[in-house]
Amino acid sequence: SAVISQKPSRDICQRGTSLTIQCQVDSQVTMMFWYRQQPGQSLTLIATANQGSEATYESGFVIDKFPISRPNLTFSTLTVSNMSPEDSSIYLCSVEGGSFYEQYFGPGTRLTVT
Amino acid sequence: RKEVEQDPGPFNVPEGATVAFNCTYSNSASQSFFWYRQDCRKEPKLLMSVYSSGNEDGRFTAQLNRASQYISLLIRDSKLSDSATYLCVVLKTGANNLFFGTGTRLTVIP
Repeated sequence: SAVISQKPSRDICQRGTSLTIQCQVDSQVTMMFWYRQQPGQSLTLIATANQGSEATYESGFVIDKFPISRPNLTFSTLTVSNMSPEDSSIYLCSVEGGSFYEQYFGPGTRLTVT
Repeated sequence: RKEVEQDPGPFNVPEGATVAFNCTYSNSASQSFFWYRQDCRKEPKLLMSVYSSGNEDGRFTAQLNRASQYISLLIRDSKLSDSATYLCVVLKTGANNLFFGTGTRLTVIP
């Protein structure tokens, strides 16, 4: 499976500011995914990021709030914009790997908005 | 109705016990099924894919019943290290994204 790293691992931010989360993979992958896991909840897909095209956002998530970049096949960023306490969550990137659409996850970024 | 539903538990079982988790999914067009394991404050990790014929990996057995839209995970001879949250995950046909259940929390007690 791919080795995935995320930066930062955690951050505490003030409301109204923005945070950019980086996801780096040790191999080239076509699709990268960004998920959110709110406290006590399961994972919810924010968007799918393909290199060379606009990210595809799931219902309830918009580009203005969660802009995504995918400049190459090993890297992606997710920005959480104009943050509010409701954005406090763990943000995880993942990539496809192996067979049968399995996905592998990065270690996550734990965000607290005060 | 949620895409994937699981009993949240918690399940507290003694070492050596056998424990089973169940999961139902709402979309009959779902094509791929997985069990992931998530330790406290860690990312989810793939435990096993679930095949139509059922599959076994050591102490873990996964089964799929498409007619009932039901997935199960059986853990035999539970170890302390099995303590974690087990996530049932489903991929719909034609979609790239995974749908996660809320997870079933397992604690294995010495």
